[in-house]
Amino acid sequence: EVQLLESGGTLVQPGGSLRLSCAASGFTFSTYAMTWVRQAPGKGLEWVSVMTGISGSTFYSDSVKGRFTISRDNSKNTLYLQMSSLRAEDTAVYYCAKAPGYCTNGNCYDWFDAWGQGTLVTVSS
Amino acid sequence: DIQMTQSPSSLSASVGDRVTITCRASQSISSYLNWYQQKLGKAPKLLIYSTSTLHSGVPSRFSGSGSGTDFTLTITSLQPEDFATYYCQQSYNTPLTFGPGTKVDIK
Repeated sequence: EVQLLESGGTLVQPGGSLRLSCAASGFTFSTYAMTWVRQAPGKGLEWVSVMTGISGSTFYSDSVKGRFTISRDNSKNTLYLQMSSLRAEDTAVYYCAKAPGYCTNGNCYDWFDAWGQGTLVTVSS
Repeated sequence: DIQMTQSPSSLSASVGDRVTITCRASQSISSYLNWYQQKLGKAPKLLIYSTSTLHSGVPSRFSGSGSGTDFTLTITSLQPEDFATYYCQQSYNTPLTFGPGTKVDIK
């Protein structure tokens, strides 16, 4: 059974930094792309970033590009999201998800077939 | 970026009803369209990918169709556990984008 467990969400001040983790089990982690999707309180879903499994290619939404960094440790079956220069509008539940599609030629054809329970990041003074 | 819209934004239905939700893309996305169900306070769950392929374990009362820019999610006989918010998502190119959601509640 695929399991994804996010951690690291907390209250952080504007301009601060935070690292989220997502521990994966139940599948061959290194062979799948993994993604972060967020959901602001009472709002819809917003894709944040994706990282491929083998090549480690990364893609970001414009809203986080230059501020967030996605990474993974395939030896630990763990995905990360390093967030910096945080803004109030980054307040959201952050979900990690398994992405079984593929990325090629600078584009990703991905959907999300397993999700974690989410971790809440609150950016406020 | 590809913009996704959904209609209606919400609907009220009864158990046993047939429900159809529409998703439209701002440009052609071929068949790169996926559907998710999210219940209140829970993580989303994948229902359908590539327009019409049912994800493992998803009941057959769910189906998807469409191509290009216009897509539909149909629930043939609404069950109590189907009351939720449904999102479409395009996987044609990055940034990957979601529709705003359609909330299905009890009439």
